[in-house]
Amino acid sequence: KAGVTQTPRYLIKTRGQQVTLSCSPISGHRSVSWYQQTPGQGLQFLFEYFSETQRNKGNFPGRFSGRQFSNSRSEMNVSTLELGDSALYLCASSSGAAGFSGANVLTFGAGSRLTVL
Amino acid sequence: DAKTTQPTSMDCAEGRAANLPCNHSTISGNEYVYWYRQIHSQGPQYIIHGLKNNETNEMASLIITEDRKSSTLILPHATLRDTAVYYCIVPGGSQGNLIFGKGTKLSVKP
Repeated sequence: KAGVTQTPRYLIKTRGQQVTLSCSPISGHRSVSWYQQTPGQGLQFLFEYFSETQRNKGNFPGRFSGRQFSNSRSEMNVSTLELGDSALYLCASSSGAAGFSGANVLTFGAGSRLTVL
Repeated sequence: DAKTTQPTSMDCAEGRAANLPCNHSTISGNEYVYWYRQIHSQGPQYIIHGLKNNETNEMASLIITEDRKSSTLILPHATLRDTAVYYCIVPGGSQGNLIFGKGTKLSVKP
């Protein structure tokens, strides 16, 4: 079956702009979670959506937001971009019924690499 | 902060077993231990997970101590393609977030 698809794979923005990234989960998966990966901070959890509702949230400023649609596809948005937002943004999908605290295996996409100039 | 502690890096000879330790001393009784790996610039890949019992699949074995405070991921016959960063994860935080930490960089050498 098709994996997790993230678009775009690469993009370049300038400070102050905003960006929207898209994630299409594996068919049948209802949970989508987002992560930011930088060389300095490693892989950090942003938020998780399940059945169109934000279920978990990491420690990121309000400039980072997301949403999930009825078909489980998810988007994340970063407004007023800063240089420090340059990173690999990963999404992962899972069946999600048990939440992170249960037996919940994540399948990751290849990521969207954002460069902010 | 991360609820797991892993060595920063390890080396392993090709064909030998790679044993990657993880300390999770604050794990709760109903929390699972997951292992993922990330090959350079790719998305992390699921390897295995467990709760109390040892687990084995086609990729690896997971040995969890009886007190559940630590575990070891075993790659029985490491190949060059197993060179990656390995993350041991226990769901953490008041909101059930996933905290990856920095992982262990495993280098498999010929």
